[in-house]
Amino acid sequence: QVQLVQSGAEVKKPGASVKVSCKASGYTFNEYNIQWVRQAPGQGLEWIGRINRNSGGTNYAQKFEGRVKMTRDTSINTVYMELRRLNYDDTAVYYCVRDRIAEVPAAMGYWGQGTLVIVSS
Amino acid sequence: DIVMTQSPDSLAVSLGERATINCKSSHSVLYTSNNKNYLAWYQQKPGQPPKLLIYWASTRESGVPDRFSGSGSGTDFTLTISSLQAEDVAVYYCQQYYSTPPAFGPGTKVGIK
Repeated sequence: QVQLVQSGAEVKKPGASVKVSCKASGYTFNEYNIQWVRQAPGQGLEWIGRINRNSGGTNYAQKFEGRVKMTRDTSINTVYMELRRLNYDDTAVYYCVRDRIAEVPAAMGYWGQGTLVIVSS
Repeated sequence: DIVMTQSPDSLAVSLGERATINCKSSHSVLYTSNNKNYLAWYQQKPGQPPKLLIYWASTRESGVPDRFSGSGSGTDFTLTISSLQAEDVAVYYCQQYYSTPPAFGPGTKVGIK
């Protein structure tokens, strides 16, 4: 079965960087896009960006351009999301998500368990 | 960018009664070449990631009870829970995946009256 297992919670100081990993299993890794979505405490869902299945190219939400970097290691079926210059508003649960189907665009079919990132001085 | 709105913000329904959530997009999400609406619905329970309920606006994901149904086209969509169960207490989000960036509605909280 499809599984996305994310790295554990992080506490970071303002201005620092965080790198969250997402290990995929149960499917052919290169056949599906992986997206990242975050959710601040008590708030809604916000799209951060995606890493494309074929090329490993990326698309980021304009809000995060210049501050986020998504990469992947196909040898271990893992995707990474690094967010730099953290501020208090970046405190959130970060989810990696796999498209439901390989055809794009597609609904978000499978979600990781989430990684809580707390930005605190 | 497409903006998604939902109404109401919250609703409370008696067990066994119907719950209806509305979602509107600022731009049509109907792709005319294949006649598909690129609109999904998700359910999120406290402490859990969202779960896909409906895609293509009206297709239930595998394993989703048939009391959940989606309808609408273009810019106006509805999620209906025909007979609310206790386990349906959650926040429901609509999302367009027609264009980048994909966007979510603000969510509707469903509770028991």
